[in-house]
Amino acid sequence: AQKVTQAQTEISVVEKEDVTLDCVYETRDTTYYLFWYKQPPSGELVFLIRRNSFDEQNEISGRYSWNFQKSTSSFNFTITASQVVDSAVYFCALSEGPGSGNTPLVFGKGTRLSVIA
Amino acid sequence: DSGVTQTPKHLITATGQRVTLRCSPRSGDLSVYWYQQSLDQGLQFLIQYYNGEERAKGNILERFSAQQFPDLHSELNLSSLELGDSALYFCASSPRPRTPHGSFGQGTRLTVV
Repeated sequence: AQKVTQAQTEISVVEKEDVTLDCVYETRDTTYYLFWYKQPPSGELVFLIRRNSFDEQNEISGRYSWNFQKSTSSFNFTITASQVVDSAVYFCALSEGPGSGNTPLVFGKGTRLSVIA
Repeated sequence: DSGVTQTPKHLITATGQRVTLRCSPRSGDLSVYWYQQSLDQGLQFLIQYYNGEERAKGNILERFSAQQFPDLHSELNLSSLELGDSALYFCASSPRPRTPHGSFGQGTRLTVV
């Protein structure tokens, strides 16, 4: 069965600090997809990244970077030089791939990030 | 902009009532997914449709139902509403059922009073 664990419920940092949000997943499938979403106070779910299980390359997009490690079943998200606008709840999610008929997303419980000016 | 449109954005209704939430998928997408985000259950999958047919079912209550119409828009019907049904309801779409979806609609915030 699929499972996503975000052990950090809440994190508070001072502006310009770096912060890493942890995500650990469980799946029996060899083909799967991992996602990160941002949910600002306004409530919408903002898509940040999708990564398939065959691509373990780390990715960087501006101040955001993602570290995918199959060996530890983790897909961690780092924000460099955090800003107040990064304050939001961040969700990690998992979808099993074609071998399982592409199941819908299973979400972690989210990490609430507060960036203090 | 995800291309997925949900209406209404906010809905306030009384217990026992019935409401309909609407989702228009991104142009060209045939599969629609519904999710519920509540305080106690978090974000969870409700139901998926592909080209008018139900494809997968999650933790959807019997009081809830959905359908996808020939023009591919989908409606989620919630009946005999209870206070605990207050939640954010999100819709997402993908080209085919085996293609993982990424972006969500803006959501409908349902408040049952």
